[in-house]
Amino acid sequence: DTEVTQTPKHLVMGMTNKKSLKCEQHMGHRAMYWYKQKAKKPPELMFVYSYEKLSINESVPSRFSPECPNSSLLNLHLHALQPEDSALYLCASSQVYRDSFNQPQHFGDGTRLSIL
Amino acid sequence: GENVEQHPSTLSVQEGDSAVIKCTYSDSASNYFPWYKQELGKRPQLIIDIRSNVGEKKDQRIAVTLNKTAKHFSLHITETQPEDSAVYFCAASILDTGNQFYFGTGTSLTVIP
Repeated sequence: DTEVTQTPKHLVMGMTNKKSLKCEQHMGHRAMYWYKQKAKKPPELMFVYSYEKLSINESVPSRFSPECPNSSLLNLHLHALQPEDSALYLCASSQVYRDSFNQPQHFGDGTRLSIL
Repeated sequence: GENVEQHPSTLSVQEGDSAVIKCTYSDSASNYFPWYKQELGKRPQLIIDIRSNVGEKKDQRIAVTLNKTAKHFSLHITETQPEDSAVYFCAASILDTGNQFYFGTGTSLTVIP
C-alpha cells in the first residue's frame, strides 16, 4: 500500500539513451524529493521541490533534469548517464507546514536504474 | 550544514534481546528526528520520529530518546525479532532549510534466531 508511486520499477539504459522516471502522490503533500541510493548507503539528496518550485539542487550533474508539472507529479529526466549513475532512485514526499516542525517523508519503492 | 553521525554501523543481537542505535547531530537548530527502516530491496519506511519539544517517544517495542543538550538521539528496540533485521537510518531536519533531511550513515541490524 505504497502512497508514493514510482515508475518504472526497473530501468536498463545505454549511455546515449534518454529516459524519464516518474513519481506520483495523492496525499496533498507540497514537498517532493529525488534521492539516489547506493547499496547499504543512506539516501543521497538530489533535488527538493516545495510548492512546485525547485528549492534545493544538490550540485547534481546536468544529465539529471527534474520537473514538477503539478503538486502531485515529479519527473526525473535522464540523458547521457554514466555507469556510476547506476543506483536506486527514490522519490519521497512530505507535507509542508510553515512555522512548524518539518513533517515525515514518505518514500516510494524506487526505480532501480542500470546503465550499460 | 548539518552533520549526522550514526553508530554502530553493524549490530548483531540474539532474538529477544534489545538493540540500541545512536545518532549525534551538529546543528542545534535541528528540531525533527525521524528513524527509517529499510529492508533489502525495499523503500525506507518511517518507524518512529521525535520532535525537539519532547524527550522520549514510544510505540510498542520501539522507542526514541532525544538529548538536546548533548545533541544526540537513540533508537531502542526491545524483544527483538528476526523480522527486525534491516538497515536503520536516523535523520535530522531543520525547519528553515527547505525541507531538507540529513541522514546518518545507517546501521545494519541482524537479529539471530
